[in-house]
Amino acid sequence: KAGVTQTPRYLIKTRGQQVTLSCSPISGHRSVSWYQQTPGQGLQFLFEYFSETQRNKGNFPGRFSGRQFSNSRSEMNVSTLELGDSALYLCASSSTSGYNEQFFGPGTRLTVL
Amino acid sequence: AQSVTQPDIHITVSEGASLELRCNYSYGATPYLFWYVQSPGQGLQLLLKYFSGDTLVQGIKGFEAEFKRSQSSFNLRKPSVHWSDAAEYFCAVGERGSQGNLIFGKGTKLSVKP
Repeated sequence: KAGVTQTPRYLIKTRGQQVTLSCSPISGHRSVSWYQQTPGQGLQFLFEYFSETQRNKGNFPGRFSGRQFSNSRSEMNVSTLELGDSALYLCASSSTSGYNEQFFGPGTRLTVL
Repeated sequence: AQSVTQPDIHITVSEGASLELRCNYSYGATPYLFWYVQSPGQGLQLLLKYFSGDTLVQGIKGFEAEFKRSQSSFNLRKPSVHWSDAAEYFCAVGERGSQGNLIFGKGTKLSVKP
């Protein structure tokens, strides 16, 4: 099976712009989670989608949003970018086994100038 | 609130030496427990997991971890480290019944001396 894929891998934006990141889960996985990784805060949970519905949300401002499509692919959007949004954004997918075993993609490195 | 502590930010071991990376968690019940590894510029790879049952779990690449309920710990071990094990290691906790939200420790960076 192909793993989790994320596009683009690298992105450079300027403050005030918006950005959309994409994630394709492992085939058959219906849950997609997003995490932000920074040197200072580490790995922090953004939100999780299952069957096109957001089931769980971390403690991030409303500028961070996401959605999931009927084929389980997911996108996350960050509006009005700030310098502090520079991070590695990781997507993970899991099956519906209930054990929360997540498989991660390679991430999208976002740099905000 | 749940939390995960990895007390060692950076560890250096010699190739061939044994390794133990520490992980302590704070959680009201027995959570799901995971160890992930991340190489520079890469995503996270699952090394092993604990859900229930035998408290000593085996993972990939020769790693194992032991769940100790009394100590709220889930330490990762490897009897003989290889240079290719140099990476950052993350312990994570998942809440039973709550999908999609893993809580991670800050990570331990492992360096391997030749």
